[in-house]
Amino acid sequence: KAGVTQTPRYLIKTRGQQVTLSCSPISGHRSVSWYQQTPGQGLQFLFEYFSETQRNKGNFPGRFSGRQFSNSRSEMNVSTLELGDSALYLCASSPITRGETQYFGPGTRLLVL
Amino acid sequence: AQTVTQSQPEMSVQEAETVTLSCTYDTSESDYYLFWYKQPPSRQMILVIRQEAYKQQNATENRFSVNFQKAAKSFSLKISDSQLGDAAMYFCAYRSVDSGGSNYKLTFGKGTLLTVNP
Repeated sequence: KAGVTQTPRYLIKTRGQQVTLSCSPISGHRSVSWYQQTPGQGLQFLFEYFSETQRNKGNFPGRFSGRQFSNSRSEMNVSTLELGDSALYLCASSPITRGETQYFGPGTRLLVL
Repeated sequence: AQTVTQSQPEMSVQEAETVTLSCTYDTSESDYYLFWYKQPPSRQMILVIRQEAYKQQNATENRFSVNFQKAAKSFSLKISDSQLGDAAMYFCAYRSVDSGGSNYKLTFGKGTLLTVNP
């Protein structure tokens, strides 16, 4: 099976702009989670989607949003970008059984200037 | 809320030797999952090993094994016969077991950077 794919891999934006990141899960996986990784804060959970519904949300401002489509692909959007949003954004997918492992994509590196 | 602590920011090991990475966690739950992920310079997060808390037997995957001490809330990773390709950042992670599906997030430690010397 193909792994989790994320597009784009790299992105440069300026403050105030908005950005949309995409994640395609492993075939058959219905749960998609998003994480932000920064040198200062480490890996932090953003949100998790299953069957087009957000089930969990981390402690991030409302500028961070996401959605999931019927084919399980997911997008996350960050509006009004700030310098502190510069990070590696990781997407992970898992089947929806008890305790299943999350498999990660290669990430999207976002730089906000 | 659960917390995961990795007390060793950096570790080094000689090629072919054995190294142990430490991880402790705090939780009031009795059933949960623990993971070790590896993140090489490519930044791709790769699953190394997983442990179910209800299993007393320590998980093993080839050269990788864990020492799971539930009462002590400790979950260390042992890498035997270290190889140059093992050099990476290693993250310990915790996940609740929630049959309602409301808590599938991973809580990560800060990571341990492992260097393998030839």
